[in-house]
Amino acid sequence: GAVVSQHPSWVICKSGTSVKIECRSLDFQATTMFWYRQFPKQSLMLMATSNEGSKATYEQGVEKDKFLINHASLTLSTLTVTSAHPEDSSFYICSARGLFPDEQYFGPGTRLTVT
Amino acid sequence: GENVEQHPSTLSVQEGDSAVIKCTYSDSASNYFPWYKQELGKRPQLIIDIRSNVGEKKDQRIAVTLNKTAKHFSLHITETQPEDSAVYFCAPLIQGAQKLVFGQGTRLTINP
Repeated sequence: GAVVSQHPSWVICKSGTSVKIECRSLDFQATTMFWYRQFPKQSLMLMATSNEGSKATYEQGVEKDKFLINHASLTLSTLTVTSAHPEDSSFYICSARGLFPDEQYFGPGTRLTVT
Repeated sequence: GENVEQHPSTLSVQEGDSAVIKCTYSDSASNYFPWYKQELGKRPQLIIDIRSNVGEKKDQRIAVTLNKTAKHFSLHITETQPEDSAVYFCAPLIQGAQKLVFGQGTRLTINP
């Protein structure tokens, strides 16, 4: 149980375009999902916390107009990178929270390359 | 803000020896302390965790110890094997914000 999927697993897009990444909890309902970004050889940095039916809470320094998060259902959250630039190239990982705050289940990640 | 420090950043040990990684944190209200293992290009994988009502927890070759007074917890791997080579992260749960804050990571290399 407690499986989280992400789609796509990798994507290449051109500078200036937008790309959407989906995060799904497959066998449980997740009222809260988290979006992380990980640059090569670095740690996971939390970008935002996404709560079902409400606006996401962004970490300091993360542009909310550039990284659009939608959590429309208890099993799906999406991250849209708008007007992507090469510096947005990174590994994006989501996680979904279970019943308790310390239960977090990570998705497999999406590797974004912006050319 | 939350401050999480992890040491060392790299660690190289001979196969069969032990490895210890330490994590210090600043939020005195934290009560959940996990360790994650991440292989290249993969998701973080929870390997062991501890809650603040215990001081030590062991699972086969892996153990975690917690010193809440000093605000640090450590990962111990005994009888290391080549498949233990990976990057390890601590990620204490920040109680107020209910979010994990990841340490900088430790790249562990097991030399055969």
